[in-house]
Amino acid sequence: QFVLTQPPSVSGAPGQRVTISCNGSSSNIGAGYDVHWYQQIPGTAPKLLIYDNNNRPSGVPARFSGAKSGTSASLAITGLQAEDEAHYYCQSYDVTVYSSKVFGGGTKLTVL
Amino acid sequence: QVQLVQSGPEARKPGASVTVSCKASGYTFTDCDIHWVRQATGQGLEWMGWMNPIHGGAGYAQKFQGRVTMARDTSISTAYLELSSLIFEDTAVYYCGRVPARPSNYYGIDVWGQGTTVTVSS
Repeated sequence: QFVLTQPPSVSGAPGQRVTISCNGSSSNIGAGYDVHWYQQIPGTAPKLLIYDNNNRPSGVPARFSGAKSGTSASLAITGLQAEDEAHYYCQSYDVTVYSSKVFGGGTKLTVL
Repeated sequence: QVQLVQSGPEARKPGASVTVSCKASGYTFTDCDIHWVRQATGQGLEWMGWMNPIHGGAGYAQKFQGRVTMARDTSISTAYLELSSLIFEDTAVYYCGRVPARPSNYYGIDVWGQGTTVTVSS
């Protein structure tokens, strides 16, 4: 259903490192289009977390980092904190989907 | 500070239309395209389309073609989303967001509105 595939859920204990994958194809990530990541706490609007694959907007802690390789991208969170519990979405551009932004289905991060 | 403030919740019957507004402040309205994204309860984010405030041109996701209109009033720095022929499945929170680079479909949404709940029920 979603052009970009994310795991439905991941979990980790406080202080640990977790990664969230975002798998695309040759018409989006693999075609060289950038990946952006959003964090959404329930009941609030999404917040831009990582832009252009690996850049953090001002105010986003360095614990969050992004990477991209081939047709996939990933978000890493180190030093996990309780406040990181949220949904995370990747987003890119796809040349075949009527030239549009495309989102992943989202990943729920649970801090144990 | 840069802000997008959306209009309040709306309730409509199936077949009706709804318009959601998104007022920008803290930056030059025409510098950034406005995108609209919706989210049904418990579901993911769904991109609907974009609008260029300079000339009003817009591009819509194929799913919404013929049913959606995105417009603006530059005199009050406000963007609008109109969705017609509403069905129950249009019940969702609708977000506007700005993209500070062009072509904006390539880039991330750096500022989001607070969301507007649209409920379609009979």
